[in-house]
Order: sequence, then structure tokens, then C-alpha cells
Amino acid sequence: NAGVTQTPKFRILKIGQSMTLQCTQDMNHNYMYWYRQDPGMGLKLIYYSVGAGITDKGEVPNGYNVSRSTTEDFPLRLELAAPSQTSVYFCASSYSTSTGELFFGEGSRLTVL
Amino acid sequence: GEDVEQSLFLSVREGDSSVINCTYTDSSSTYLYWYKQEPGAGLQLLTYIFSNMDMKQDQRLTVLLNKKDKHLSLRIADTQTGDSAIYFCAEIPFTGGGNKLTFGTGTQLKVEL
Repeated sequence: NAGVTQTPKFRILKIGQSMTLQCTQDMNHNYMYWYRQDPGMGLKLIYYSVGAGITDKGEVPNGYNVSRSTTEDFPLRLELAAPSQTSVYFCASSYSTSTGELFFGEGSRLTVL
Repeated sequence: GEDVEQSLFLSVREGDSSVINCTYTDSSSTYLYWYKQEPGAGLQLLTYIFSNMDMKQDQRLTVLLNKKDKHLSLRIADTQTGDSAIYFCAEIPFTGGGNKLTFGTGTQLKVEL
């Protein structure tokens, strides 16, 4: 199993551009998440999904959108990129039980200039 | 809402013990977790403790839980250079559900020779 795979690993955007961060998992997990990590701030939940066709907002959803058309894929879309969206983005997945064990991708470092 | 709090940095000498502390927010959290993030990688679950336990030991790791004070600690015995990483505590608040972990700010552990 590859686990959770994120692409791209690095990206530089200009203000106002849009892009999609891709995330796919091969563990047949129902739950998927997008977090952003900023220095000294820990991880903040952007969006999450409890299954295909279902998404919900996390703590910091503004400026982002997600979709979950399949169990495997959970892309994160940034519309009109802003410098405040410069961050490291992590996708994660988990089983549907409340064990708290999330499996993380290696992260995508995004810089908005 | 309240944040899960951790000190940002800890520096120890190789062979010494490290103690990383965390204050969490929700006394109803069933499980509390420690995740480890190595440089350039995603987070990995290190260990967890069930809320009805005071202590859990796993090889060099000891987790202590003080529910009254909502305080969680991770002790690493005989700290090695490979333990250098960022350590996050995490909880699933009662109102969260769906494995929506709330992460602390992270403690960067530096192990010096």
C-alpha cells in the first residue's frame, strides 16, 4: 500500500491564481481530512469528509473548497490564492472508528507571492 | 475556542530523558494522542492513552495523564538523535466526533550530542 499520496510536494503561486492539491489513499478509509500547518500554530483542520459525496467544513475553511466523488480521492481547491494561504498542507485519512489514528501524507508546501 | 497548548521548543542531551508537556481542552476526550513529525514528513501516531488510565508505558515512552488538570505528558527515556522531531499532542473533543482531532501547537525536540 502506498498509503496517502499528495501532489504536488511544492508549488509557488501568484496572488489570485487558483490550483488544486491532490490527495489519494489506497487504504479504503472512509474518513479524509485536509489540515494546514503553520509555524507555532500546530495543525488546523480545513475540511473533512466522512465518505464519498459528503464533505464538511473544519476550523479554517475560508478560501478553500473540496470534493469527494470517490472513496480514494479528496482534492483541495484554492481559489484566488492569497499570501495568507502560504502554508504546508497535509492530507490524512482514517478508519470510521474513533481510534484517532490518522494516516498522513508527506505534505504539500505552498507559497503564494 | 481554547487551544491545546504545548511549549514550542525543548533541547536535551543525548542519553537524557525528555519530557514534553501538553494541556488539553476537553475533559470528556476519550483518548489522548501523541504524534511525531520527522523533518519533511507527515505526522505519525506515536502512542495514545485511554482517558481512564493514569499512565501508559511503551518501551522508552511513558505517557502520564492528569485528568483533573487536563495535563498530558510524554517522557522519552534515553533520548537519541533519532528522536529529534516535532511532537504533537491531540484530542478528539466530545463535540468533534468523526475522528476530528484537535492538535496542539507542537513541541520541537532537539537532541544534542
